[in-house]
Order: sequence, then C-alpha cells, then structure tokens
Amino acid sequence: ELKVEQNPLFLSMQEGKNYTIYCNYSTTSDRLYWYRQDPGKSLESLFVLLSNGAVKQEGRLMASLDTKARLSTLHITAAVHDLSATYFCAVISGTYKYIFGTGTRLKVLA
Amino acid sequence: EAGVAQSPRYKIIEKRQSVAFWCNPISGHATLYWYQQILGQGPKLLIQFQNNGVVDDSQLPKDRFSAERLKGVDSTLKIQPAKLEDSAVYLCASSPYPAGGGETQYFGPGTRLLVL
Repeated sequence: ELKVEQNPLFLSMQEGKNYTIYCNYSTTSDRLYWYRQDPGKSLESLFVLLSNGAVKQEGRLMASLDTKARLSTLHITAAVHDLSATYFCAVISGTYKYIFGTGTRLKVLA
Repeated sequence: EAGVAQSPRYKIIEKRQSVAFWCNPISGHATLYWYQQILGQGPKLLIQFQNNGVVDDSQLPKDRFSAERLKGVDSTLKIQPAKLEDSAVYLCASSPYPAGGGETQYFGPGTRLLVL
C-alpha cells in the first residue's frame, strides 16, 4: 500500500529564514500535490507537479518533484508569519486514489 | 464561481445515532470526493465518484458508512450508527477532470462531527 511521509512533522522557524519540507512516498507515482491548511479551515491547493523534475514557484514557496527518488520538496524562502499553516503533500495510488501525507505544521515566529 | 458547499458545518451526536452530511460540488465538476480528517492527521479518502458512479470506496467502512451521488451532482454521506472514533472533519472535494486526471481538487469547508 502506498505510504506518504513528511518531515518534519512540526517546524518552528524565525521570520526571514529558509527551510525545506520533505515528502517521501513508497511506490511509483508521477503526480504530486501540495496543499495548505490554516487552523479550522479547509485545504487550499498550492502546487500540482505532474512530471519528474517539475518545479513550480509561487511567492516564497517553491516545490519540486523527483520521481526516481520518490521525493518532493517544498522550499520556503525568507519566511513570513502569514506562511504559518499545516502543509500536506498528496500522491495518487494506482489510477484514482489520493493518499495524503501526515502533514507538516509550520509556525513562523516574528 | 461558487465553491464547494457543505452542510451542516458542525454536528454533535451521541454514539449509535445516525448522521448525514451534504455536499454540493462546483458546477460542472465530474468528480467528487469524500474525505475523513481526524485531528492532527492528513485527510483519508473515503469514497470517490465520477458523475454518479463510484470509482473507489475501498476505505469506506461499509458496515456503517454509505454515500450516494444522485444525478451526478449533489452527494450525501451517512453514518449509521456512529461510533466515538468517527469524530472528525468530513471534507468534500470536487474536480472538473476524470478521476485521477492529474489536476487539483477543490475542497469545501468541511463538516466537524463530534460523537459523544
């Protein structure tokens, strides 16, 4: 069964610093998704990565996908408080089933 | 464009009672998903519809959970009877593409269920 693991599970960082969240998955998948969830809110799509080597950037966030290593990264550049949230990656198992990771709870300190 | 609508937003019931959740996806979206998100965990897919047909329900506890999507639009998820471990947020999502088509899902605000 496909497993999706993220690390770290919790991350507390200072404003202005850089950091990377990692998403590992256990079986072949060529599509990976990143979502953001604010406390008590629903999920908001950030990135869809559809091929090996895909890189997407939006503001201070950049996501990449290495399908051979079964690894995606979400890089945060010069963090600001507004980025505080929980970040989830998700992959597709087989043809249809979306499997979400454990989530990384990010807190950016002023 | 209106987003995914869900109701109710909150529900408190006692164990062994029944409960139903309703979802109205974004207009024209072919695929609809129901997820269960337990506090501190990622969403777990319960069931996935394409139009009014079930694509995947392998993680739906069929002895107590049921779901339907009549006419390929709205959907309801029912729990009967509820257990304490069903306390969670139930998220509905939709996508304009066929199941697994590679594009993103749009999530509703969720229904927060507490079973006492």
